[in-house]
Amino acid sequence: KAGVTQTPRYLIKTRGQQVTLSCSPISGHRSVSWYQQTPGQGLQFLFEYFSETQRNKGNFPGRFSGRQFSNSRSEMNVSTLELGDSALYLCASSLEPGRSLTSYEQYFGPGTRLTVT
Amino acid sequence: DAKTTQPPSMDCAEGRAANLPCNHSTISGNEYVYWYRQIHSQGPQYIIHGLKNNETNEMASLIITEDRKSSTLILPHATLRDTAVYYCIVRVVVNGGSQGNLIFGKGTKLSVKP
Repeated sequence: KAGVTQTPRYLIKTRGQQVTLSCSPISGHRSVSWYQQTPGQGLQFLFEYFSETQRNKGNFPGRFSGRQFSNSRSEMNVSTLELGDSALYLCASSLEPGRSLTSYEQYFGPGTRLTVT
Repeated sequence: DAKTTQPPSMDCAEGRAANLPCNHSTISGNEYVYWYRQIHSQGPQYIIHGLKNNETNEMASLIITEDRKSSTLILPHATLRDTAVYYCIVRVVVNGGSQGNLIFGKGTKLSVKP
């Protein structure tokens, strides 16, 4: 079974631009979560989507947004990029809730490394 | 904030058991202990989880104290490829509820040396 895929793997943008990152979950997984990882703040939760609905949101400004499509693929968007948005953006997928407890394991993709100059 | 405390770093000799401790003294009755690891420049990898019983899988064993205030992840025969940052996370698991918010602390950087 293919793992979580994220595209692109590397991206360089300039301040003020916007960026869209893509995540394809493991086949059959319907929940997708996004995380930001920086050296200073570590791994921080951005938001979670299930059945095209945002179910949970971390403490990030409104410049960070996301969506999920009917095939469970997800995108996140960052508008008006700032230097501090340079980070590794990780996507994780898991099975829908209601299954066995092992459904709640999250499987992470390799991440998209975003550099803002 | 993360509800766990882990040593910032540990060393282990190749072939030996690596025992990684985690304190979670404020854990609630419905919170599970999860372990993930992150090898340099890769996404975190799920290792194991448990509630109150000891658990074992092909990757590791998880020992949870009877009062559930601490746990130990055991890699029985550490290899160089086990060098990574190991994260201990406590989380509530509720059927039908949001599952996405893993709160990562700083973890333990395990260095396996030849």
